[in-house]
Amino acid sequence: GDSVTQMEGPVTLSEEAFLTINCTYTATGYPSLFWYVQYPGEGLQLLLKATKADDKGSNKGFEATYRKETTSFHLEKGSVQVSDSAVYFCALSYNTDKLIFGTGTRLQVFP
Amino acid sequence: KAGVTQTPRYLIKTRGQQVTLSCSPISGHRSVSWYQQTPGQGLQFLFEYFSETQRNKGNFPGRFSGRQFSNSRSEMNVSTLELGDSALYLCASLSGRGGNEQFFGPGTRLTVL
Repeated sequence: GDSVTQMEGPVTLSEEAFLTINCTYTATGYPSLFWYVQYPGEGLQLLLKATKADDKGSNKGFEATYRKETTSFHLEKGSVQVSDSAVYFCALSYNTDKLIFGTGTRLQVFP
Repeated sequence: KAGVTQTPRYLIKTRGQQVTLSCSPISGHRSVSWYQQTPGQGLQFLFEYFSETQRNKGNFPGRFSGRQFSNSRSEMNVSTLELGDSALYLCASLSGRGGNEQFFGPGTRLTVL
């Protein structure tokens, strides 16, 4: 079946460091890929998405490219801020609207 | 445009009781999905409703049920609560007219004692 695998956390960085959170997927078809972020005590917010191979999603300085050849959708940011501290979820879905999530990666950014 | 609202935000119940959670989607959105979030199992899909019909269902026991009303508001019900049902229950809405971006509510934190 379809699944999403994320790197274990927590990821601990100093402010202005470069961020990479790895995400790989297994899919029987051609899903859309998403990154969601969850701040403490809140629900999920869509961070970015990509709907087909080679698409790049970007938002708030975060980027991820849909790589079909490596079945990956790694999240990157050039310079993290303390306010980026949160849990990040990689997910996939088809048009059936059911999202399949990875286990989440906690990011902690220190000043 | 108002976001997805969920009520109540927090709930404490005891084993064996039942509970009903409510979700109001974004105005104009016709699809509502429910997810359970726990530390052990992560985020798991419960079910999805579109125009009052259940369109998709996850792998949960029959104690978990839901419905959707004509105004697109949705409720989920859990009967005969177990300790393992303690979780954050998230509701998401999307327009249902193409595109698959889901907008999540803040969740209902259910604690079963």
